[in-house]
Amino acid sequence: QVQLVQSGAEVKKPESSVKVSCKASGGTLKDFTLSWVRQVPGQGLEWMGGIIPRFGTANYAQKFRDRVKITADESTSIVHMELSSLRSEDTAVYYCAGDNNVYGSGNTLDVWGKGTTVIISS
Amino acid sequence: QSALSQPASVSGSPGQSITISCTGTGNDVGGYDYVSWFQQHPGKAPKLIIYDVTNRPSGISHRFSASKSGNTASLTISGLQAEDEAAYYCSSYTSSSTLVFGGGTDLTVL
Repeated sequence: QVQLVQSGAEVKKPESSVKVSCKASGGTLKDFTLSWVRQVPGQGLEWMGGIIPRFGTANYAQKFRDRVKITADESTSIVHMELSSLRSEDTAVYYCAGDNNVYGSGNTLDVWGKGTTVIISS
Repeated sequence: QSALSQPASVSGSPGQSITISCTGTGNDVGGYDYVSWFQQHPGKAPKLIIYDVTNRPSGISHRFSASKSGNTASLTISGLQAEDEAAYYCSSYTSSSTLVFGGGTDLTVL
């Protein structure tokens, strides 16, 4: 069973960028559709975007389209999510989550990382 | 893309059944059989409990069942147990090839 291992917590200043990584442990990401989902403290889940590493194609939620970039390095089975122009409202836990079907909807997110806390503070 | 609509909270006594609704539009819930449900305990990552409207992943209790009618999906938990107390989220594939989550429902087991 593939596990998703995320990078550690980050503290960033407003207007800067953060890059969070998600690595497959015990397998490869080539058979997954990977999504990034964030959760602001006390609030619900929010889909930011996703990528199919095998094809390199990424898709983004309209809200984040101008600020987020998701990339995949299939050789290392690592997916990165970079969020720019950070503001205090971006303080959240960021999860990567995987659907083990590159030809499906991407909504069968049955593998989740433990989350990466990103704090935006001046 | 607006979030799917869920009740903020529901409650039930042990042994009872509860149902959580998830309302979208024809561009998401109503247009595709790609609705998932997730359970999230405080401080933990979400856990998939239903996918493709009605399917349970391996290891998920038969007490969890789900359905869809039109633009509204529903999750039913029967034989409520204390361990079911958690937040529940629906999600759907959309016509923009994106995903969208519901606002979440807090379940309290009385």
